[in-house]
Amino acid sequence: AQKITQTQPGMFVQEKEAVTLDCTYDTSDPSYGLFWYKQPSSGEMIFLIYQGSYDQQNATEGRYSLNFQKARKSANLVISASQLGDSAMYFCAMCSETSGSRLTFGEGTQLTVNP
Amino acid sequence: AAGVIQSPRHLIKEKRETATLKCYPIPRHDTVYWYQQGPGQDPQFLISFYEKMQSDKGSIPDRFSAQQFSDYHSELNMSSLELGDSALYFCASSTGVPLESYNEQFFGPGTRLTVL
Repeated sequence: AQKITQTQPGMFVQEKEAVTLDCTYDTSDPSYGLFWYKQPSSGEMIFLIYQGSYDQQNATEGRYSLNFQKARKSANLVISASQLGDSAMYFCAMCSETSGSRLTFGEGTQLTVNP
Repeated sequence: AAGVIQSPRHLIKEKRETATLKCYPIPRHDTVYWYQQGPGQDPQFLISFYEKMQSDKGSIPDRFSAQQFSDYHSELNMSSLELGDSALYFCASSTGVPLESYNEQFFGPGTRLTVL
């Protein structure tokens, strides 16, 4: 079984500052994938970034980067230069060798960017 | 770029009625996933299809059924609706063979189902 834990129900950040959203995972599979999705209040689920368990380098996509610490089983999302439009719910998710491509999500972190 | 299309976007039904949700994946995507997101909850995997065959099954009630058609669109059929079925239903699509790759899943805008 696999499990994703997001311990921050809510986070606040000032516009233009960086913020880190925490995500820890649990799996016994050596091969797995980690994802971050953004869900604005409108409801759609927007893919942000992906990290494979065998990737040597941390994934980056524009202002998003994933701080992957395999030994600690953490995959924190870092958003640099926060914008008001970043205010949304953020979900960490994973799939693994035994679970196939189905995604298991964490409970989410509600990020609010203050002007 | 083309995205995943879901219809309808909103649906209101009475208890014990039936509902059909439709999903049109991104062109050339051969895998479709269905997720259910209850109010204030994270999405839960229901079922997936690859090349028109069921590839994986999650916590999908027996009252629900789904299929993928020859044009790769998928339909989720829900019968004997209950109040607890009120949720946002997402369809996602990807390329690649499920259970063998971790290709990113692109989500549709969701269908918000309300059961009264």
